[in-house]
Amino acid sequence: DAGVIQSPRHEVTEMGQEVTLRCKPISGHNSLFWYRQTMMRGLELLIYFNNNVPIDDSGMPEDRFSAKMPNASFSTLKIQPSEPRDSAVYFCASSFFGADTGELFFGEGSRLTVL
Amino acid sequence: TQLLEQSPQFLSIQEGENLTVYCNSSSVFSSLQWYRQEPGEGPVLLVTVVTGGEVKKLKRLTFQFGDARKDSSLHITAAQTGDTGLYLCAHRGPGANNLFFGTGTRLTVIP
Repeated sequence: DAGVIQSPRHEVTEMGQEVTLRCKPISGHNSLFWYRQTMMRGLELLIYFNNNVPIDDSGMPEDRFSAKMPNASFSTLKIQPSEPRDSAVYFCASSFFGADTGELFFGEGSRLTVL
Repeated sequence: TQLLEQSPQFLSIQEGENLTVYCNSSSVFSSLQWYRQEPGEGPVLLVTVVTGGEVKKLKRLTFQFGDARKDSSLHITAAQTGDTGLYLCAHRGPGANNLFFGTGTRLTVIP
């Protein structure tokens, strides 16, 4: 079975440009998470969805960040306008809410560099 | 604010040595999870500990949950180069299925 699929794997952009990161969760999972990882701050939870509904976006750093989940098989994280401090690896993860293990399955990440 | 502090932050050891890494907090948790992240990949779940004092073994890895459910440790016996990676502990948030990660221990096993 396919795991969580993220695109692009790498993105280099200039400050002020719009960035859109995409995620396809594992089929059948009903929770989706966006994380950001940096050396300084570690792995931070930005936002998560249950059944396509945003539940907690308190981790979203600024209004420049937005996330959507229009259906059960697709989510986007958008940064507009991007800034150099947004450079990080962005991970999407999915899980089945209610499963005993509560295991999160992560994608391979999208490495963003903002110049 | 990081509720979970992991130590050491970095650890470099020779193949065959034993090691222990720690995950500490002043908060009580219903459970803790351990993940391993290899370079260029996302974290992968190793184990979930639920009961205070619980010990779980996964081949050469031994996980323990503190009696008070505030801390956990991971002991690796006879480390191998394949154990190299970032080890993360994590706890559940109020939403029950959101997960917050600790600061991480970056382990390098030298051949």
